[in-house]
Amino acid sequence: TQLLEQSPQFLSIQEGENLTVYCNSSSVFSSLQWYRQEPGEGPVLLVTVVTGGEVKKLKRLTFQFGDARKDSSLHITAAQPGDTGLYLCAGASTGGFKTIFGAGTRLFVKA
Amino acid sequence: NAGVTQTPKFRVLKTGQSMTLLCAQDMNHEYMYWYRQDPGMGLRLIHYSVGEGTTAKGEVPDGYNVSRLKKQNFLLGLESAAPSQTSVYFCASRPVNTGELFFGEGSRLTVL
Repeated sequence: TQLLEQSPQFLSIQEGENLTVYCNSSSVFSSLQWYRQEPGEGPVLLVTVVTGGEVKKLKRLTFQFGDARKDSSLHITAAQPGDTGLYLCAGASTGGFKTIFGAGTRLFVKA
Repeated sequence: NAGVTQTPKFRVLKTGQSMTLLCAQDMNHEYMYWYRQDPGMGLRLIHYSVGEGTTAKGEVPDGYNVSRLKKQNFLLGLESAAPSQTSVYFCASRPVNTGELFFGEGSRLTVL
């Protein structure tokens, strides 16, 4: 069974601080995705990383895929209250059909 | 553009009752999924379908059944609801050529 472990589970920081969320597994994934979910809504895709060592940037968010394609990180620079939400990492199985999710990191950015 | 639509949005059941959640997508996606979301446990895959007429078990399939009679619809059934099935259920779909999942807004189910 493929598992994704996210850390930390909860993060409360002040506006302007930096933070990093980690997503780790003992399994290799063909790709990893990061989603953001707001209360009462379904998750929305932020980014997909496919190649080991890949780094993608989305404004103040930086996503990295580990060289061995087993782990990923999300770094937010100068967090803003609008970044508040639940961040979920997700991995596509080697067969390509199933996507499994980590438990999520709930981020709260105080103004 | 509707995307993925789930009905109903909210439902309260008594233990032992049955119900069906309906998911409809208008993006012509091949793959469809049912997840449940519980506090601290993220999204867990219940069942999925890779095409009309096909279904497969996910991580937590026990107590649920699904059907995909039409490409645009994916139904999730609970034959005899239990309190442990109290959760928020999300349907998602995705095209074959990308991994991006498109989610509905969720269905909150409470089993008393």
